[in-house]
Amino acid sequence: GENVEQHPSTLSVQEGDSAVIKCTYSDSASNYFPWYKQELGKRPQLIIDIRSNVGEKKDQRIAVTLNKTAKHFSLHITETQPEDSAVYFCAARPPNSNSGYALNFGKGTSLLVTP
Amino acid sequence: DADVTQTPRNRITKTGKRIMLECSQTKGHDRMYWYRQDPGLGLQLIYYSFDVKDINKGEISDGYSVSRQAQAKFSLSLESAIPNQTALYFCATSDTLGNTGELFFGEGSRLTVL
Repeated sequence: GENVEQHPSTLSVQEGDSAVIKCTYSDSASNYFPWYKQELGKRPQLIIDIRSNVGEKKDQRIAVTLNKTAKHFSLHITETQPEDSAVYFCAARPPNSNSGYALNFGKGTSLLVTP
Repeated sequence: DADVTQTPRNRITKTGKRIMLECSQTKGHDRMYWYRQDPGLGLQLIYYSFDVKDINKGEISDGYSVSRQAQAKFSLSLESAIPNQTALYFCATSDTLGNTGELFFGEGSRLTVL
């Protein structure tokens, strides 16, 4: 099955700096790559996603890049703010129906933005 | 607002007890999932269901069973709970027709097995 590796496991940045979280996946046929943010005590929520026919996608301070050849994708957060502090999960979805559109998640990155 | 609701939100039980976690959704989605979250291990898929008549095992289904009672209801059971099943459990839904791929999570059920 699909295996998603995520790095780093923890990341501390100062407010205003950029943060980058990287993920690799094993199934070259995977075609959907979302990022979820989980604030303390809350449920994971989708913040941005990218499909395999796109190389980059931006939404205000958040961007995701995808390198299909290398099978890796990254989350970039610019001008970080304290409210960006959370656990971030990357995920990949293989295309076959056997998985029921289930997502395979990385182990998460705990991001701390210090004022 | 349409949502995914889990009950109970917190449960403490003893080894060997049977536990059921329930999930209901008002989003009208056909697909439902149960994930387990452990610190440092991310979200691991336990079971998923395409519709009422379709149940499938995920990567960590041993020790768990599920029931899809209706399109809107998907319950997770631990027949004989053990301490290493202590975790945060999330139910999630997705919409095949919309095919956006997005999973919508419930608020989670924290289970402690003593």
